Amino acid sequence: GDSVTQMEGPVTLSEEAFLTINCTYTATGYPSLFWYVQYPGEGLQLLLKATKADDKGSNKGFEATYRKETTSFHLEKGSVQVSDSAVYFCALTGGYQKVTFGTGTKLQVIP
Amino acid sequence: GAGVSQSPSNKVTEKGKDVELRCDPISGHTALYWYRQRLGQGLEFLIYFQGNSAPDKSGLPSDRFSAERTGESVSTLTIQRTQQEDSAVYLCASSLAAGVSGDTQYFGPGTRLTVL
Repeated sequence: GDSVTQMEGPVTLSEEAFLTINCTYTATGYPSLFWYVQYPGEGLQLLLKATKADDKGSNKGFEATYRKETTSFHLEKGSVQVSDSAVYFCALTGGYQKVTFGTGTKLQVIP
Repeated sequence: GAGVSQSPSNKVTEKGKDVELRCDPISGHTALYWYRQRLGQGLEFLIYFQGNSAPDKSGLPSDRFSAERTGESVSTLTIQRTQQEDSAVYLCASSLAAGVSGDTQYFGPGTRLTVL
């Protein structure tokens, strides 16, 4: 079945550092790929998505590119802020729209 | 109107009791999903509804779990004879339509269930 593997956290970075959170997937067909974010005390919300190979999703300075050849969707941000501290989930949807999530990566940004 | 809402936000119950969790999806969203998030873990799919089609119950962990949805509106997730292992945050999400790749799911704030 479908699966998503993302790097384990927690990841601790200083403010303005470069962020990469790795995500790879296994799926049949051509899934859509997502990054969701869960800020402390809040619900899960969509950060960005890509629906086909080579698409780049971007939002709030975050980017991720759908790489079919490496089955990856790594999340990057050039300069993180304290307000980016959250748990980030990589996810995919296959043909039936059921979302398969990774286990989440906690990011802590220190001033 | 607003986003997905869930109630109660917190529920503490004793082992063996039944609980009902409620989800109000975004108006007009035909697809509704339930997930479970155990402490420090990822999200676990439980069940999804799409319009009047038979729900996909493939993620329900045991026959103590059941869910209903009235048309394209409110859904309730029922857990009978709760166990301590049921303690988790239960998340509901809705989307415009299932089966459309890339359709965004919108999540509610969750219900935190604690079974003593």
